[in-house]
Amino acid sequence: VQLSESGGGLVQPGGSLRLSCKASGFTFGSYAMSWVRQAPGKGLEWVSGVSGGGSGDVNTFYAESVKGRFTISRDNSQNTLYLQMHSLRVEDTALYYCAKVLWPGSTPLFLHWGQGALVAVSS
Amino acid sequence: EIVMTQSPATLSVSPGERATLSCRASQSVTINLAWYQQRPGQAPRLLIYNAATRATAFPARFSGSGSGTEFTLTISSLQSDDFAVYYCQQYNTWPPVFGGGTKVEIK
Repeated sequence: VQLSESGGGLVQPGGSLRLSCKASGFTFGSYAMSWVRQAPGKGLEWVSGVSGGGSGDVNTFYAESVKGRFTISRDNSQNTLYLQMHSLRVEDTALYYCAKVLWPGSTPLFLHWGQGALVAVSS
Repeated sequence: EIVMTQSPATLSVSPGERATLSCRASQSVTINLAWYQQRPGQAPRLLIYNAATRATAFPARFSGSGSGTEFTLTISSLQSDDFAVYYCQQYNTWPPVFGGGTKVEIK
């Protein structure tokens, strides 16, 4: 299993950024995926998740701190997870990890992690 | 939202000694509790799930226990690779929530 994030960078407050996570080594569509972030020197914070499974229904979940500003999505044909971030704030500065759940389905227990994409929000 | 509280924030332990880390949930999470290890500059690694099931990559000196609201991670004899930050996480209900972490440092 490999997860490779991209799209991070420096952005001004109020700006937008889109993160991508390219996955390989497993049946991507069968597993829920999440974004978890870590501000410099701080702990882990779950940001957003999207359901997995073959039912066709896709459920999305958001932390209150990002609800209405961030949108998670997935393209199972491209084995890629996205996080579209708008109205970025200084407090969104963090390393953003893409994470895959342990079991097929949506239980938010994270076995595989990428190496992270750094998002810095500053004027 | 469930609140996860870890203690202590920092634990100073000599190599070869036992380390005991605590995690408390603000409401019952049954056994849907995981522990992660994070070394400096690295992504977190799943260490324990279902409160007491050890991930295959980790040796038997790591053990987890507890249910409901009180959980413990025990490292029986600390090795140099074990000095890291450990996070608990509940996955019983959405949203998943991490504790603030316990840093295990060399005494």
